[in-house]
This record gives sequence, C-alpha cells and structure tokens, in this order.
Amino acid sequence: GAVVSQHPSRVICKSGTSVKIECRSLDFQATTMFWYRQFPKQSLMLMATSNEGSKATYEQGVEKDKFLINHASLTLSTLTVTSAHPEDSSFYICSARKPGQNTEAFFGQGTRLTVV
Amino acid sequence: EDKVVQSPLSLVVHEGDTVTLNCSYEVTNFRSLLWYKQEKKAPTFLFMLTSSGIEKKSGRLSSILDKKELFSILNITATQTGDSAVYLCAVVRPAGGTSYGKLTFGQGTILTVHP
Repeated sequence: GAVVSQHPSRVICKSGTSVKIECRSLDFQATTMFWYRQFPKQSLMLMATSNEGSKATYEQGVEKDKFLINHASLTLSTLTVTSAHPEDSSFYICSARKPGQNTEAFFGQGTRLTVV
Repeated sequence: EDKVVQSPLSLVVHEGDTVTLNCSYEVTNFRSLLWYKQEKKAPTFLFMLTSSGIEKKSGRLSSILDKKELFSILNITATQTGDSAVYLCAVVRPAGGTSYGKLTFGQGTILTVHP
C-alpha cells in the first residue's frame, strides 16, 4: 500500500526558534498534501493544503507567515513553524492521497512538537 | 462551512459488548466518508464509504452510509481491549479545482473497553 513518511516524529525546541517538519510520499507522487494539527483529546484540524509548485492554501485562522509550507517536489512537502512559541506545541500530521483516485488519505506518523 | 459531528464523544464498555458509533455530516459537494482509528499516533484507515446502503465489513467492524439522511455508523461487535482508541470519521470533498479531496474530521469518539 501507499506510504507517507513524516519526520521527525518528535521534536523539542526553544521559544523563538524555527522547526521544519517533512512529509514524503514514498511510493506515489502527491501533487497535493494536507497538513493537520491536533491538540490533546481533540480532532484533527486542517491547517493548509499544500500544492506542488504553487502556493499553499491556508484555512481560516491559520497564519501563513507562521506556518510556512513548501511543496517543491511531487514527493515532498515541508511545514516550518517559525518563531515557535509554547502555544504552538501540538501534534502535526500530514496526509496525501493517490492522484486521480477516490482512495483513502494516507497519513504520516505525525510529529509531536514541544516548544519550551 | 462543512460540518461533521460524531456521537457519542466518549463511550466506556466491557469486553464482549457491541458498540455503535455515529457520524453525521453537512458538506457541500460530498465525495465519500472515511473512518479511522487513532491510538497513540497517526490515524489508521478503517473504511471508505461512497455509496448509500452498502455495508463494509472487516472482521468485527462494519460500517454503512446513508446519503439521504447524511450519516454513517461504525459498529464493533464483541469488543476487545485492543479496540480502545479514538475513532474518527471524516468527509471528503474536492479541494479547489483538483480531484484530491481534503478531509473534514469530526471530533472523534473516545472508546474505552474494559476487560
């Protein structure tokens, strides 16, 4: 089956620093990937849609300058949390779907970000 | 705005019980509905439902979609402690002009199965 790999699985950083999270589709080309955020005991909230070769589409209330998304190739999207603050601590998950098919979304393993 | 509502939000049962989880939705341009199981990390896929009235089964789990009444149910029979997890449903609709739909998730149902 299709596999989406996300890295790192866990990161701790200091306030004010930036953190980059990678999401790779391993056996298919994903022109579109999605980034979600999940707070404890809450559901996944879509942050943005990452489009290969063009600007990401952000959901309402998500700061595009804070959460930079780059989708430079058909298999890689990155999310950079800039100038991180403790309130950015959360679980971030990416997903991708096989192009041209009405299939389930495949999720990365998720990244637990802790900002201290 | 798309809306997906799951109920109950939490459920505690004993091994061997049967549970029914509900998911109702209001979305424009519905494509399909997905069920996921989430334990510690990323959600794992359970079912994708596109057509009304066709039950999907996988072992002790089954699910069905009603597109007229806009809801789906997930049944788990003879529950085991390993079924303890958060169960998420999500609806899929196209993202912009592409055919790769984005997901709108419900709040999830926290299922706890006691021995």
